[in-house]
Amino acid sequence: DTAVSQTPKYLVTQMGNDKSIKCEQNLGHDTMYWYKQDSKKFLKIMFSYNNKELIINETVPNRFSPKSPDKAHLNLHINSLELGDSAVYFCASSQDRLMGDTEAFFGQGTRLTVV
Amino acid sequence: GNSVTQMEGPVTLSEEAFLTINCTYTATGYPSLFWYVQYPGEGLQLLLKATKADDKGSNKGFEATYRKETTSFHLEKGSVQVSDSAVYFCALERNTGGFKTIFGAGTRLFVKA
Repeated sequence: DTAVSQTPKYLVTQMGNDKSIKCEQNLGHDTMYWYKQDSKKFLKIMFSYNNKELIINETVPNRFSPKSPDKAHLNLHINSLELGDSAVYFCASSQDRLMGDTEAFFGQGTRLTVV
Repeated sequence: GNSVTQMEGPVTLSEEAFLTINCTYTATGYPSLFWYVQYPGEGLQLLLKATKADDKGSNKGFEATYRKETTSFHLEKGSVQVSDSAVYFCALERNTGGFKTIFGAGTRLFVKA
């Protein structure tokens, strides 16, 4: 049983295309995240949602739009893809911090390659 | 602001060698501190954590102590194995308008047989 699953695992697409990455967690967590990992393995948070509400939106181009239809899903849609968007994107989830548990569980990542 | 600095890699060790990966942080107040590990081709997973000063987190032979006086959370293991080869991320968590985990740049560890 995969706790945090994201699809697809690999995505190769041309510049200018629009693509989506899906993420689902079956842990009953309230908070979900998207992180971008660049070629040097540096991780940077992009978005955080708590109970379907956006609570963190780092400086990310408007071409990136997260959508949370329910608290178990946080999808990432990217418009007009650029070469610099090539990276590994990780979805993660955690329980509400007010409950005390702060561990984040990560998906396996989606390697996006823009050509 | 809040930030995490960890030693640059890659770190290459022989099996059974002693490992230290340094991590220091900058934060106001009392953040929670974590080490995450990323094995090749996989997502990150929590290795250990400490939530207050002088706490020691430990797991799989790894340990790290939350040192508030030196703002450090160095990762150590007494005897590494080839299977420990991975990228290790130090991280802190702060509530800044929503809980956010801030990661260091990651340190790649290679362990040779």
